[in-house]
Amino acid sequence: ELKVEQNPLFLSMQEGKNYTIYCNYSTTSDRLYWYRQDPGKSLESLFVLLSNGAVKQEGRLMASLDTKARLSTLHITAAVHDLSATYFCAVTPFNTDKLIFGTGTRLQVFP
Amino acid sequence: GAGVSQSPRYKVTKRGQDVALRCDPISGHVSLYWYRQALGQGPEFLTYFNYEAQQDKSGLPNDRFSAERPEGSISTLTIQRTEQRDSAMYRCASSSPGSDTEAFFGQGTRLTVV
Repeated sequence: ELKVEQNPLFLSMQEGKNYTIYCNYSTTSDRLYWYRQDPGKSLESLFVLLSNGAVKQEGRLMASLDTKARLSTLHITAAVHDLSATYFCAVTPFNTDKLIFGTGTRLQVFP
Repeated sequence: GAGVSQSPRYKVTKRGQDVALRCDPISGHVSLYWYRQALGQGPEFLTYFNYEAQQDKSGLPNDRFSAERPEGSISTLTIQRTEQRDSAMYRCASSSPGSDTEAFFGQGTRLTVV
């Protein structure tokens, strides 16, 4: 059974600082996604990563994928308060279309 | 439609009653997914369809849960003889064909069983 683990589960960081969220998964996958969820809201897609070494950037967020290590990272650069949310990674097991979500990382950015 | 639409947004039901949750996916999206999300947790996979065919129902908790998508568009998730432990946010998502496309989520149905 595919397991997807994120760490940290909770992250409190100061504005302007950098940090990385990690997503580990337990079996072969051909797709990895990052989603953002604001309190009481739905999930918003951030990135789709398809191949080993894939890197995508949008604003202050950059995601990367290492399929050999079964690891994805979401790097936050110079955090701002607007980035406060819960971030989920999700993995698609090989030969299926279903997404298996991680535990989530709740990010809080303070002045 | 412009996005994934779910109805009702909120449903309060008495224990033992049946409920039906509806999902209207983005027009043209082939794949449709159902998830359940407890407060403070990640979405938990329930089932998914490609067109009208149910591809995987391994996440349905027990036989009180069922889903259908008879014409390959709108889907209904039915929970029979509801129990308090069924209370959660039920989310639907849809995606178009292609390995590089993400799933778009609806606003969810908040189910409360009293």
